[in-house]
Amino acid sequence: QVQLQQSGPGLVKPSQTLSLTCAISGDSVSSNSVAWNWIRQSPSRGLEWLGRTYYRSKWYTDYAVSVKSRLTINPDTSKNQFSLQLNSVTPEDTAVYYCTRLPYYGLGLPYGMDVWGQGTTVTVSS
Amino acid sequence: EIVLTQSPGTLSLSPGERATLSCRASQSVSSSYLAWYQQKPGQTPRLLIFGASNRATGIPDRFNGSGSGTDFTLTISRLEPEDFAVYYCQQSAGSPGTFGQGTKVEIK
Repeated sequence: QVQLQQSGPGLVKPSQTLSLTCAISGDSVSSNSVAWNWIRQSPSRGLEWLGRTYYRSKWYTDYAVSVKSRLTINPDTSKNQFSLQLNSVTPEDTAVYYCTRLPYYGLGLPYGMDVWGQGTTVTVSS
Repeated sequence: EIVLTQSPGTLSLSPGERATLSCRASQSVSSSYLAWYQQKPGQTPRLLIFGASNRATGIPDRFNGSGSGTDFTLTISRLEPEDFAVYYCQQSAGSPGTFGQGTKVEIK
């Protein structure tokens, strides 16, 4: 059974960096048939797909245009986890943050986000 | 960026009734890349449908997805009390992907 365990602070000051980690059990961050994602949810923005990292003979990372200049997602193969770093946060970054697994099947078709972390409520405030 | 617009915003129905939820894309999306999720208060979203019409593991057969191109539909044939929730469509054809804003199915 695949599980994702999130860790990181729930309160971040404006202009600082938000850092979250997602530890994977039951699967590998280096799997060549999975993408590992960060999603956030807020009343004002709904569900927002922030970015993903995946391994297909080499590492790839995609970011949403809305956060591309501020977001870094990194895999950590030694700890079987991946992380999010969002720089220069503002109160608009206040949200519940989720890490998710998106497996692919057949000829690279997405199954859907079938495993979600427990969520981290992040508040940006001084 | 592909924008997904869901309608209606809220659907008020009684248990046993049929629910029809719509998801419209701002440009054509391959049906292989369209999924539906259910979210209940205080819970994480749960995958219901992938590839527009395939039920995920353990999803009851009263949930059915259909559609192609820019128009997709999630139908719940007979609402059970546990089906009252918010439903989201999501596409992964773009990079990295987008969600709709959700349809709330509430008890009438």
